[in-house]
Amino acid sequence: DQQVKQNSPSLSVQEGRISILNCDYTNSMFDYFLWYKKYPAEGPTFLISISSIKDKNEDGRFTVFLNKSAKHLSLHIVPSQPGDSAVYFCAGYDKVIFGPGTSLSVIP
Amino acid sequence: EPEVTQTPSHQVTQMGQEVILRCVPISNHLYFYWYRQILGQKVEFLVSFYNNEISEKSEIFDDQFSVERPDGSNFTLKIRSTKLEDSAMYFCASSGRRIQETQYFGPGTRLLVL
Repeated sequence: DQQVKQNSPSLSVQEGRISILNCDYTNSMFDYFLWYKKYPAEGPTFLISISSIKDKNEDGRFTVFLNKSAKHLSLHIVPSQPGDSAVYFCAGYDKVIFGPGTSLSVIP
Repeated sequence: EPEVTQTPSHQVTQMGQEVILRCVPISNHLYFYWYRQILGQKVEFLVSFYNNEISEKSEIFDDQFSVERPDGSNFTLKIRSTKLEDSAMYFCASSGRRIQETQYFGPGTRLLVL
């Protein structure tokens, strides 16, 4: 039962360019979405969230877009930095349901 | 900055043994959670805890699992009789005064069941 899907297991981006990480969900009850970043051997770290009543939330280099009709959200990181290289998890909030993650590699 | 801490960082145990994983949530948080991540798989919700009782649990959280907040600071996950498939990274998380507040995760305990 994959309520949250991240169809790209990995992504490589040049430093300074935009990283776009995508997430699709099936559960219409989600009223809040979160992105977490995870480095190896560490716990997930909260990055940014968006309420279902909004379509965009921005925090510095990170912007999350929500398209409720398409049940799709995306995380934009611009400009990408080598320190952004990590696994990114999208999560829907009913109880927190994580997607499988996308491993981002930012190449200097 | 306050953070969630977990002990031990690594635990190796024999199948059938009991393990207790410990967490110290952020001090003014009221909601507590356990998640696990089996190697190569996604992070999975196990249980949420509020007001000294379980508020929600997943189908993974069967009778072999229990949680407790024995004092004002610790939050524990007990696995009564470990199985090989319990080998995973276990993450504790806590959130503030509202259920929808952001959850802050601990660094995890890596459990290996032999």
